[in-house]
Amino acid sequence: SQQGEEDPQALSIQEGENATMNCSYKTSINNLQWYRQNSGRGLVHLILIRSNEREKHSGRLRVTLDTSKKSSSLLITASRAADTASYFCATEGYNTDKLIFGTGTRLQVFP
Amino acid sequence: DAGVTQSPTHLIKTRGQHVTLRCSPISGHKSVSWYQQVLGQGPQFIFQYYEKEERGRGNFPDRFSARQFPNYSSELNVNALLLGDSALYLCASSLAQNFYNEQFFGPGTRLTVL
Repeated sequence: SQQGEEDPQALSIQEGENATMNCSYKTSINNLQWYRQNSGRGLVHLILIRSNEREKHSGRLRVTLDTSKKSSSLLITASRAADTASYFCATEGYNTDKLIFGTGTRLQVFP
Repeated sequence: DAGVTQSPTHLIKTRGQHVTLRCSPISGHKSVSWYQQVLGQGPQFIFQYYEKEERGRGNFPDRFSARQFPNYSSELNVNALLLGDSALYLCASSLAQNFYNEQFFGPGTRLTVL
């Protein structure tokens, strides 16, 4: 079963707006990662945040992690049509050798 | 430098058959992981291999097996195919065993079981 649950399941916005996606998970983690997937193809790694970090930035991406609430958020600022994709969070559980993905958020950015 | 490659791209099988999927990691990467992604869902972890040994296993039946070769390429085998095995099978490679390292995904093999 999947550990991460993403919210919302789908999100539609206009170019230039910000997009926020949330991820909740169930058990203690070593790290949490966000991936993008275009049209059912291979995934692209976006950003990794370790369990002892609270916030991380990469370009237009901002990720936060709240281990007390077992949740993370991904913010994409000034969105572009090319950001249209599915976004997944993935967690490496503490003392596990697995990377567990969430259910994903489908983001549609209209020009 | 070539990325992760997978073959075949598409595959159609019938129930009860056997299938072998192949993955070539990025040069220098010693870890290969396999994932199953059913339409509309997130990828589900099947196996991780590092230095030719199984290092992690997801909740999949024994019909699923894999191996890693000396050149770090990998095969995923599925026996006695069921309709529910229809999915996109993704391979990812990384430098080291742990998941702190960025996973680089291949384009996937789309398996259809009729």
